[in-house]
Amino acid sequence: AQSVTQLGSHVSVSEGALVLLRCNYSSSVPPYLFWYVQYPNQGLQLLLKYTSAATLVKGINGFEAEFKKSETSFHLTKPSAHMSDAAEYFCAVRNPNDYKLSFGAGTTVTVRA
Amino acid sequence: EAGVAQSPRYKIIEKRQSVAFWCNPISGHATLYWYQQILGQGPKLLIQFQNNGVVDDSQLPKDRFSAERLKGVDSTLKIQPAKLEDSAVYLCASSHLAGENYNEQFFGPGTRLTVL
Repeated sequence: AQSVTQLGSHVSVSEGALVLLRCNYSSSVPPYLFWYVQYPNQGLQLLLKYTSAATLVKGINGFEAEFKKSETSFHLTKPSAHMSDAAEYFCAVRNPNDYKLSFGAGTTVTVRA
Repeated sequence: EAGVAQSPRYKIIEKRQSVAFWCNPISGHATLYWYQQILGQGPKLLIQFQNNGVVDDSQLPKDRFSAERLKGVDSTLKIQPAKLEDSAVYLCASSHLAGENYNEQFFGPGTRLTVL
């Protein structure tokens, strides 16, 4: 079984500052990992995914995440926050032999001008 | 390519009433998912279809929830009778059965259900 823990339900950053969202996973097999973003009243959009290739994954909108097996982590970062990054972010894990995504509880990002 | 379509976008009903949600996946996507997203939580899978067959409905409350995908394209999720705790956003997603984008699920905008 897989599970995801997102540390911090709310993160507030200043425009231009580093965005760091934490995600730790639990999985009995090497997992596939995903970050999704959800803007108000919209569905989830894939930011990036790790599927056992390069451990540093680059996604859309300047985001990237690093898979660290020793720490069972997949933290999401963006060097410089923009006002348009204000949204809710979900980390998800999947067994490569399965289809089921298990989501974390989400982290809401607020960007201060 | 058109995205996943869902309707209605919002629905308000009283408890014990019935409600139905509709989803049209991305053209050519064999796999369709229904998720329930309660406020403050991540989405939880309710049911997965592959073409018109059910792959997994282990977390679907079958005493009140039902879903179908009769022709392997669009799908309907029904709740009858609704309870207060069913208030949530119901998300539909679809994905390829195989190929380069096999790992990616594409989500619709969701239907926000409020049960009073």
